[in-house]
Amino acid sequence: GENVEQHPSTLSVQEGDSAVIKCTYSDSASNYFPWYKQELGKGPQLIIDIRSNVGEKKDQRIAVTLNKTAKHFSLHITETQPEDSAVYFCAASAGPFAGNMLTFGGGTRLMVKP
Amino acid sequence: GAVVSQHPSRVICKSGTSVKIECRSLDFQATTMFWYRQFPKKSLMLMATSNEGSKATYEQGVEKDKFLINHASLTLSTLTVTSAHPEDSSFYICSTYPPGQGPKGYTFGSGTRLTVV
Repeated sequence: GENVEQHPSTLSVQEGDSAVIKCTYSDSASNYFPWYKQELGKGPQLIIDIRSNVGEKKDQRIAVTLNKTAKHFSLHITETQPEDSAVYFCAASAGPFAGNMLTFGGGTRLMVKP
Repeated sequence: GAVVSQHPSRVICKSGTSVKIECRSLDFQATTMFWYRQFPKKSLMLMATSNEGSKATYEQGVEKDKFLINHASLTLSTLTVTSAHPEDSSFYICSTYPPGQGPKGYTFGSGTRLTVV
C-alpha cells in the first residue's frame, strides 16, 4: 500500500519568514495530493491540493510543488503569521474517484513566533 | 460547502462502559464514512470504512467487535467503542464526501476526544 513520509515533524519560524514542509510517497499510482491544516481539538481542513498533471499550484501565501518523478511534494507558506501555527498533514490518494482512500503523512507542527 | 457534524466533542467514561460517537452529514447524503483514530502528536490512522446499508470494512489490526460501526442512514454513521479501556483513549475523527466527489470533497468532522478512566 501507499506510504507517505513527512518532514520535519516540528518547525519553528519567526513571523514573516517562510516555512517549507516536505513529503514523499511510495505508490507511483497516487495522483492526488492534498494538504490539511489541523488546529488543536479540531478536524483537518483542506488548505490546498495538487494533481499529478500539475507541477505547482499557488493560492495567496501558500503553494504546493510536486515532483512526480522523484515522488515528492512540498508545501510552502510565505510571510508566515501567528495564526498559521497548527499541525499540517500531507496526504496522497490513488485517484480522484469517490471512495479513494487518503494516506496521511505523520504531520508537522508549525509554530510561528511573533 | 459540505458540513459534517460530529458529537460529542469530548467524552470521559469509566473503564468497561461503551461510548457512541455520531457523525452526521448536514446537507448531503453520505454513502461512505471513513473513521480515523489519532493519537497525541500523531497522524490520522484509518480504522474502518462504513457504507450505508452494508457492513463496515475494517483495517488490519482493528477489532470490529471492539469498534462497532453502524451506517443505517445516508446522513448518520456511528462508532461505538465497546467495553472501553484506558488504551482506547484517543481522538476519533470521521470523514465523508458528497455523492460523486473524490478526495477533494472529503470533509472531516470536528473530532471526539475520548478519555477512558
